[in-house]
Amino acid sequence: NAGVTQTPKFRVLKTGQSMTLLCAQDMNHEYMYWYRQDPGMGLRLIHYSVGEGTTAKGEVPDGYNVSRLKKQNFLLGLESAAPSQTSVYFCASSYWGQGKYFGPGTRLTVT
Amino acid sequence: GQQLNQSPQSMFIQEGEDVSMNCTSSSIFNTWLWYKQDPGEGPVLLIALYKAGELTSNGRLTAQFGITRKDSFLNISASIPSDVGIYFCAGQGGSEKLVFGKGTKLTVNP
Repeated sequence: NAGVTQTPKFRVLKTGQSMTLLCAQDMNHEYMYWYRQDPGMGLRLIHYSVGEGTTAKGEVPDGYNVSRLKKQNFLLGLESAAPSQTSVYFCASSYWGQGKYFGPGTRLTVT
Repeated sequence: GQQLNQSPQSMFIQEGEDVSMNCTSSSIFNTWLWYKQDPGEGPVLLIALYKAGELTSNGRLTAQFGITRKDSFLNISASIPSDVGIYFCAGQGGSEKLVFGKGTKLTVNP
């Protein structure tokens, strides 16, 4: 099992550009999440999904969109990147009420 | 919103020493989780606690779910250099959302 994988590992964007981050899990988990991690802020939930075709807002959803067309994939989109979105993005998945398994992260810089 | 207070913020210890860190909250949680994050990596789940009062071990690591459901602690015994990293607590209430502490950075001197 690969667990949770994320693509790409690194990305540099100019302000106003768009991009999509891909998360894939092979554990048949129902729940998937996108977090961002900033220095001194810990991990903050952006959006999450409780099953294929569902999405919900987390703590810091503004400026991001998500889609869960297939159970194993959860996409995070930035339509118009801003410098405030420079961060490390982590995807996670789990069964309900169980510990979450995290991917290796995507380091995004917006200039 | 819900917040977790994790302490200490950082620790510098000698190899072989025991370590203790804790998290407290003003809210009740149904689940407490402890993660470790190495530089450049994602958090890795160390221990999951699902019942108030539960004490669970994973090798040299021991964690407890506080009886009030508002706190948890993690102990590491006989620390070794590979224990270095950032340790996060996380609490989960009635929804699927996790609340994370801000982390404890552990440095182990050989």
